[in-house]
Amino acid sequence: DVKVTQSSRYLVKRTGEKVFLECVQDMDHENMFWYRQDPGLGLRLIYFSYDVKMKEKGDIPEGYSVSREKKERFSLILESASTNQTSMYLCASTPGGNYGYTFGSGTRLTVV
Amino acid sequence: AQSVTQLDSQVPVFEEAPVELRCNYSSSVSVYLFWYVQYPNQGLQLLLKYLSGSTLVKGINGFEAEFNKSQTSFHLRKPSVHISDTAEYFCAVSERVQGAQKLVFGQGTRLTINP
Repeated sequence: DVKVTQSSRYLVKRTGEKVFLECVQDMDHENMFWYRQDPGLGLRLIYFSYDVKMKEKGDIPEGYSVSREKKERFSLILESASTNQTSMYLCASTPGGNYGYTFGSGTRLTVV
Repeated sequence: AQSVTQLDSQVPVFEEAPVELRCNYSSSVSVYLFWYVQYPNQGLQLLLKYLSGSTLVKGINGFEAEFNKSQTSFHLRKPSVHISDTAEYFCAVSERVQGAQKLVFGQGTRLTINP
């Protein structure tokens, strides 16, 4: 089975901190994604990557950046955390085509 | 751009009753549709998908969904639910963007099974 691993289940950070959320997949997938999940809003795409060092903005990229230096790892960076970035963050990967995504278990981030 | 609307934010049902979770998508020439389930404190898991062919799609855990092109719907059904089906369910449509297949999700439907 494909595994997508997010390094932290729960994180508490202070306003203004730089925050790194890490995601690693073990099946050589081309495409990786970062979503945030908020009640009543479903999942919204922040950034995605279809190859190493390639990145594309999703629907809500403001306040975030990403890094993909190796194929298996996709990092989400909050440059200066704010309270409105308190959310559940989900990473996903797919080989491409329409196989559907494999999701990680999520990181619940609280910014205080 | 594609969009997905899940018509019910919460659906309470009794155990062993049938259930239907409704999903409508914006029209497109070709469309690929998915249902995902999220159990408490977990990531999302694929229930089923429609890519082409038969409009009735069977998935895991006894769920099925019917693709209806004329009504732009992809409703999820189960004839008899269990307590263990309590979860949040997400409908999604796939669109191709910049070399990747992006999923656009609905707002989610929280299914609560009462004994």
